[in-house]
Amino acid sequence: NAGVTQTPKFRILKIGQSMTLQCAQDMNHNYMYWYRQDPGMGLKLIYYSVGAGITDKGEVPNGYNVSRSTTEDFPLRLELAAPSQTSVYFCASTRGGGAHTGELFFGEGSRLTVL
Amino acid sequence: DAKTTQPTSMDCAEGRAANLPCNHSTISGNEYVYWYRQIHSQGPQYIIHGLKNNETNEMASLIITEDRKSSTLILPHATLRDTAVYYCIVSDNQAGTALIFGKGTTLSVSS
Repeated sequence: NAGVTQTPKFRILKIGQSMTLQCAQDMNHNYMYWYRQDPGMGLKLIYYSVGAGITDKGEVPNGYNVSRSTTEDFPLRLELAAPSQTSVYFCASTRGGGAHTGELFFGEGSRLTVL
Repeated sequence: DAKTTQPTSMDCAEGRAANLPCNHSTISGNEYVYWYRQIHSQGPQYIIHGLKNNETNEMASLIITEDRKSSTLILPHATLRDTAVYYCIVSDNQAGTALIFGKGTTLSVSS
């Protein structure tokens, strides 16, 4: 199993550009999450999904959109990129259900710089 | 508001046990204690979790006090590769409940 795969690993955007961060998992996990981590800080939840066709906002959803058309994929869309979106983005997944809901598997991260 | 309190940093000699404390005095009855670590700039890695009882796996042991207001993560024989930021998190395991990672404890293992 590849686990959670994120692409691209690095990207530089100009202010106002848009892009999609890709996330795929091959563990048949129902729950998927997008977090961002600013330098020296903890992770903040952007969006999450409990299954195909179901998404919901986390702590910091403004400026982002998501979709979940399949169990495997959970792309994160940045519209009109701003310097405040410069961060490292982590995608995570878990099989969910009961005591194991908090056992998240994380990708390696996508490092985004907006200039 | 942070639900957990951890020391900012700790040092440990290679081969010795690393004991990382965490206070979670406002933990609810249905909340679990989770531990993760993040090595350099990699994605966080799940270590262990527990509700009431002490837990052990191949990576670490988790000791939870009887009143559940604090816990300790134990790495029995720390190696240089265990140098990382360790996060103590409480969660009710609902899908939309964000795991609040906070700033964690930076553990430095030296030879």
